[in-house]
Amino acid sequence: QVQLQESGPGLVKPSQTLSLTCTVSGGSISSGGYYWSWIRQHPGKGLEWIGYIYYSGSTYYNPSLKSLVTISVDTSKNQFSLKLSSVTAADTAVYYCARGVRAGWVYYFDYWGQGTLVTVSS
Amino acid sequence: SSELTQDPAVSVALGQTVRITCQGDSLRSYYASWYQQKPGQAPVLVIYGKNNRPSGIPDRFSGSSSGNTASLTITGAQAEDEADYYCNSRDSSGNQVVFGGGTKLTVL
Repeated sequence: QVQLQESGPGLVKPSQTLSLTCTVSGGSISSGGYYWSWIRQHPGKGLEWIGYIYYSGSTYYNPSLKSLVTISVDTSKNQFSLKLSSVTAADTAVYYCARGVRAGWVYYFDYWGQGTLVTVSS
Repeated sequence: SSELTQDPAVSVALGQTVRITCQGDSLRSYYASWYQQKPGQAPVLVIYGKNNRPSGIPDRFSGSSSGNTASLTITGAQAEDEADYYCNSRDSSGNQVVFGGGTKLTVL
């Protein structure tokens, strides 16, 4: 059973960089075939895809966040990470990591972390 | 703004059938997937692809698609089905991922 767990600071100051890590257990990121993703949810709002990384390091980002986002992978630790720079209060959200599956004409997230609330405040 | 459009709220009487829809141009090319999210919990995949259910998802959940509209149908809704439901798909370019705005399902 694959499990994902987010970790990182729950409070970030405005203009600083939000950094989160997702640790994957029960499966290897290096095995390929999956797109390791970050998704966020603003309080009381819907889901927003941030981006994903393939084990090889290839990344795709939401165009609305692309200039501020970096997703990286550390296959030796079976982890992938999110950095979001120059944060504002609008970046306060629950951040989820998830495993994405791209198969032909479908894309879905089959495993999710429990989510971590990040608050941007001074 | 989302490229996938969902009705904000839908209600269904206990035991009845409800259809939740998701509209978007990308759905003409790609299948939608559906997630159930209960308060304070992470989303759970309930339907993916043409009409596939992950292990553990009751068979009262089913999916379908026609043109630019994907649908999630719950046949015989139960009280525990009350939740927010989100659709997702690849966007028209094929590389990005998009979510619908979500539908809050109330079971009366």
